[in-house]
Amino acid sequence: AQSVTQLGSHVSVSEGALVLLRCNYSSSVPPYLFWYVQYPNQGLQLLLKYTTGATLVKGINGFEAEFKKSETSFHLTKPSAHMSDAAEYFCAVSDSGGGADGLTFGKGTHLIIQP
Amino acid sequence: EAQVTQNPRYLITVTGKKLTVTCSQNMNHEYMSWYRQDPGLGLRQIYYSMNVEVTDKGDVPEGYKVSRKEKRNFPLILESPSPNQTSLYFCASSRTRLSYEQYFGPGTRLTVT
Repeated sequence: AQSVTQLGSHVSVSEGALVLLRCNYSSSVPPYLFWYVQYPNQGLQLLLKYTTGATLVKGINGFEAEFKKSETSFHLTKPSAHMSDAAEYFCAVSDSGGGADGLTFGKGTHLIIQP
Repeated sequence: EAQVTQNPRYLITVTGKKLTVTCSQNMNHEYMSWYRQDPGLGLRQIYYSMNVEVTDKGDVPEGYKVSRKEKRNFPLILESPSPNQTSLYFCASSRTRLSYEQYFGPGTRLTVT
């Protein structure tokens, strides 16, 4: 069985500050890990993914995440927050081949950007 | 433009009145699925379909039906809606079940009174 825990249902940062959204997972097999972003009144959009290889993955809009097997973590970061980053962020894990099938989503973290 | 469309976007209905939420994709994707999103619970999969005429239950299928008669369409049917089905619903598609990226529709906000 797989699961995802996102620490903090709401995270507030100032514009220009570092963004750090935390995600820990459990999986009985090597996981495939994803971050999705949901802007207000829109569907989810893939931000980045880890499958195999390099543990630091870069996504769209300046976001990146690092897979740390020893810590079972896949935290999302961005060096400098922008007002347009305000959204809901979901971490997801798949242990069934990495695809759309068998995805388990975390409960989401609402990112608030203070001017 | 590649997209997943859902209709209606907003729906208020009463307990027991059958309804259908339509979902259509124009990318010739094999895999389609329905999710519901509830505050503090994230997204939970209701049903999925690996191809035409192939559907299966997700994590929370009770009270829902689906069909996949055509590749592009995957309607979600609530035969007798109840208030606990008040939620935000998303349809998603991907090229195959092993494709990494899912494309999500804009969502349907359903309220059952």
